[in-house]
Amino acid sequence: ETGVTQTPRHLVMGMTNKKSLKCEQHLGHNAMYWYKQSAKKPLELMFVYSLEERVENNSVPSRFSPECPNSSHLFLHLHTLQPEDSALYLCASSQKIGQSDYNEQFFGPGTRLTVL
Amino acid sequence: DQQVKQNSPSLSVQEGRISILNCDYTNSMFDYFLWYKKYPAEGPTFLISISSIKDKNEDGRFTVFLNKSAKHLSLHIVPSQPGDSAVYFCAATVSGSARQLTFGSGTQLTVLP
Repeated sequence: ETGVTQTPRHLVMGMTNKKSLKCEQHLGHNAMYWYKQSAKKPLELMFVYSLEERVENNSVPSRFSPECPNSSHLFLHLHTLQPEDSALYLCASSQKIGQSDYNEQFFGPGTRLTVL
Repeated sequence: DQQVKQNSPSLSVQEGRISILNCDYTNSMFDYFLWYKKYPAEGPTFLISISSIKDKNEDGRFTVFLNKSAKHLSLHIVPSQPGDSAVYFCAATVSGSARQLTFGSGTQLTVLP
């Protein structure tokens, strides 16, 4: 496997289900991200993980819970989602370069999530 | 309020001609800008970037221009090819800002053969 992989590619779940999205990067990067892309809207950053820190968008509801066990793997745990959470969820990774890290992020193919 | 705006949701261009995709931003703190291309069922792919210390960056058929006073950047593709048909996103960031990119909503480019 190369680049950034995401599983599953498609997920349909009910509002009472619990599921997890998985992301793995094979690029040796030290930062990983979750983005949400809703129809006709810009990509919205949800979470950033690096060795030193976790940064989250304060507008992300607590029904989304990230986990980053190591620098290569990132999970997004989902529980009691709402239909408006249906979207494309994209994972990305990048390499921090000193203090001035320019963000050439490499994206996975995304998970298309539908909440019924 | 969107800090990065792509006001044209779509653009059609004839093969061989120039494609010009535009992007405006409002945050004067942004100092690094990127363009990504996205095909259906794939994640965005990095295309080209520019730092605010430059006003132009070129890579093959792709050139990005930055006008800091107007808070405007554009991506030129010359000559356009059918394989360039995709959604193009511009993104901006403040260097050293915990790696947070702010994206525009994208422009669908269609290159007609």
